Amino acid sequence: DTEVTQTPKHLVMGMTNKKSLKCEQHMGHRAMYWYKQKAKKPPELMFVYSYEKLSINESVPSRFSPECPNSSLLNLHLHALQPEDSALYLCASSQVLAYEQYFGPGTRLTVT
Amino acid sequence: GQQLNQSPQSMFIQEGEDVSMNCTSSSIFNTWLWYKQDPGEGPVLLIALYKAGELTSNGRLTAQFGITRKDSFLNISASIPSDVGIYFCAGVYNSLNTNAGKSTFGDGTTLTVKP
Repeated sequence: DTEVTQTPKHLVMGMTNKKSLKCEQHMGHRAMYWYKQKAKKPPELMFVYSYEKLSINESVPSRFSPECPNSSLLNLHLHALQPEDSALYLCASSQVLAYEQYFGPGTRLTVT
Repeated sequence: GQQLNQSPQSMFIQEGEDVSMNCTSSSIFNTWLWYKQDPGEGPVLLIALYKAGELTSNGRLTAQFGITRKDSFLNISASIPSDVGIYFCAGVYNSLNTNAGKSTFGDGTTLTVKP
């Protein structure tokens, strides 16, 4: 089983809202990732967690706040987003860093 | 930041034809990954490569890790309509690198297959 699940599938939020994206995997992977993907562009790395610790933050604005409560779960907390933050947000996991990454289906986020 | 040059940007081919695409980088990666993405979906892993010179197949797909560790190619043989989609390469640094786990994606190759 190489499944990564993400909820919700779609999210519409106003610029003053607070929401969270959730990602879950049960493959025993110890590295988890958040990516942002705009239309017709490749995924852009945002955050990397390794053994539940943040190891990479690609200079992401503080209105995006990641959290890894345990080895199976990864959250992305959203607050005061801008319309340009509208995108497909992808979660991925890998056995450890630098191994093949398995992606979830993504959350389509629209900021109004 | 580090960029991967993926080519071609798009391909229009006839069903049954073979396809080749490649990625090059100015720096060395420890892992090369190839993905296919359908509209509105997450990327699906096709092939993972870990050693310079490694040649790996997955059905009609074959990929190679360049011996310089700065490039990789993907071949698709005897294309079929369901091969339509966007193909991405990704280079990843290993745990010995200060950017351990950091992945960089190419801009993608959009494949169209005419029946």
